[in-house]
Amino acid sequence: GIQVEQSPPDLILQEGANSTLRCNFSDSVNNLQWFHQNPWGQLINLFYIPSGTKQNGRLSATTVATERYSLLYISSSQTTDSGVYFCAVANTDKLIFGTGTRLQVFP
Amino acid sequence: ETGVTQSPTHLIKTRGQQVTLRCSSQSGHNTVSWYQQALGQGPQFIFQYYREEENGRGNFPPRFSGLQFPNYSSELNVNALELDDSALYLCASSSSVSTDTQYFGPGTRLTVL
Repeated sequence: GIQVEQSPPDLILQEGANSTLRCNFSDSVNNLQWFHQNPWGQLINLFYIPSGTKQNGRLSATTVATERYSLLYISSSQTTDSGVYFCAVANTDKLIFGTGTRLQVFP
Repeated sequence: ETGVTQSPTHLIKTRGQQVTLRCSSQSGHNTVSWYQQALGQGPQFIFQYYREEENGRGNFPPRFSGLQFPNYSSELNVNALELDDSALYLCASSSSVSTDTQYFGPGTRLTVL
């Protein structure tokens, strides 16, 4: 099956800093999503991005499908950005999740 | 537009018991997928239902079973609970089986004692 690796595993930032999270996957996919899991466990959709670039406010994402990676950019981070960020991919019926990046933003 | 809802939010059971978790899909969605998330890990796919039929299954034993109803809501049943079944159970709905955004509910946190 597809392997999904995320880096870094942990990230500590001061408010206002920028960061880049990476997701590598081992096979071609037709679905790639980025999620933010809040402290209560809710998975919040950030982007559906099997290819290309999208932006939503301070967040943007780029997927280079031919090279099998995706990047999530967070600019001007805020304490509310804290939590775990997951990348998930699929080429059949199921989403396969990476192990996540735990982000902590301090004031 | 109503989002994905799950019930109950928390549940405590003892080893050997049976449990039923429920999920209501987002309006207009006909596909429901269930995931198990153990502490500190990413969600793992259990199975998916499309138009009331199972449409794919992950590496989980047969004591994990499910149903999807004509209104596309779904149940996850787990028999003979084990301690390792303690986890957050997440339901996701989508409007197609693979190439569409999956939207997740808030989850049910199951503790097996």
